[in-house]
Amino acid sequence: GAGVSQSPSNKVTEKGKDVELRCDPISGHTALYWYRQSLGQGLEFLIYFQGNSAPDKSGLPSDRFSAERTGGSVSTLTIQRTQQEDSAVYLCASSQRQGASETQYFGPGTRLLVL
Amino acid sequence: AQSVTQPDIHITVSEGASLELRCNYSYGATPYLFWYVQSPGQGLQLLLKYFSGDTLVQGIKGFEAEFKRSQSSFNLRKPSVHWSDAAEYFCAVGAGGFKTIFGAGTRLFVKA
Repeated sequence: GAGVSQSPSNKVTEKGKDVELRCDPISGHTALYWYRQSLGQGLEFLIYFQGNSAPDKSGLPSDRFSAERTGGSVSTLTIQRTQQEDSAVYLCASSQRQGASETQYFGPGTRLLVL
Repeated sequence: AQSVTQPDIHITVSEGASLELRCNYSYGATPYLFWYVQSPGQGLQLLLKYFSGDTLVQGIKGFEAEFKRSQSSFNLRKPSVHWSDAAEYFCAVGAGGFKTIFGAGTRLFVKA
């Protein structure tokens, strides 16, 4: 596709429910990132995938958060037993290669509201 | 530890006026530096980046930024702001490995 896409655009859920957020990176991009953007905050790194290597999960805030990337392309971020503090915009980004110098291309985000 | 500070949470400028958004970073070596812009309901878009060489970097939409090692700064500037520039601006540093550290952002308001 032309850019990074994410679905759903918006998600409202009840506290305690599980949610799945999807990210389709730019075709051919080997690196994929998930960030969380809370109101008035910068981007909080969650997890990083690079090719077939084991993901870096060092940013995941709790064991309720997990992510996978199937076939080196689409990624799903799962939040189990959602809490109100999970409400935020979840952004996905991809880059052509691994590296701190690489430009990241961002999707429009998924706005999650936990009631 | 690496960090990025954007001292101004929000800034208001008149259309046609000049703009400077401040960014300070903390990193031991020469960092990779980025400015991204986020329009309402959109993801982040790269405005410009600095890796090495000329310390004045030109970006899209008429923006430029200057890397000043002595001040650990990478301020974003535009000589004449347009109403369409109203958005949130994020400074970021690529500080080794793959991680990029983002500042908290500065929201720009443009008044007619």
